[in-house]
Amino acid sequence: DAKTTQPNSMESNEEEPVHLPCNHSTISGTDYIHWYRQLPSQGPEYVIHGLTSNVNNRMASLAIAEDRKSSTLILHRATLRDAAVYYCILRDRSGGGADGLTFGKGTHLIIQP
Amino acid sequence: EPEVTQTPSHQVTQMGQEVILRCVPISNHLYFYWYRQILGQKVEFLVSFYNNEISEKSEIFDDQFSVERPDGSNFTLKIRSTKLEDSAMYFCASRLSYRANSPLHFGNGTRLTVT
Repeated sequence: DAKTTQPNSMESNEEEPVHLPCNHSTISGTDYIHWYRQLPSQGPEYVIHGLTSNVNNRMASLAIAEDRKSSTLILHRATLRDAAVYYCILRDRSGGGADGLTFGKGTHLIIQP
Repeated sequence: EPEVTQTPSHQVTQMGQEVILRCVPISNHLYFYWYRQILGQKVEFLVSFYNNEISEKSEIFDDQFSVERPDGSNFTLKIRSTKLEDSAMYFCASRLSYRANSPLHFGNGTRLTVT
């Protein structure tokens, strides 16, 4: 999996939007951008993924730069329950396959009440 | 919503003993995984399993580790002779398809403590 770079930690206030950045300057044309999160004492949880266009689901939005070298996970209205480590991971569309995800250190998101 | 379940939630064992960690993946999923996370460290890939055989394994997954799908629902990780450094959270995951946009679904893990 190609390398991604994320800030170690970010802090936000409850009920405000949160923008979590991810740089992936070596992304290839066949890489999907996946986001997972890990709440305290739980397993990783899928959040969202995209290829070229911005994506929305019930959990979050994913904004992908036009050159695809960066992306931003957007939590529209953070709650205390969104405090977690957020991981940005690239997955090769052409490979797919059975191989596992490679987790980095992610961004530790702290939500202040 | 279907989920991956893991048992037990916490396992304590003595060094040198064998342990089996159990997982029930989501029923129609075809690809299965084990990961581990040592306290305070990254989530690390151990092994992937498809069609009753290992598809890929990491350097961590040495001869002390084995996986099995003994029936149509369970997926197990066995550590033959545990070491202190095997103490970690072990997460099972499954996914429906081989496609790169098919997400992994993780269980909430088994905390293994080796004393």
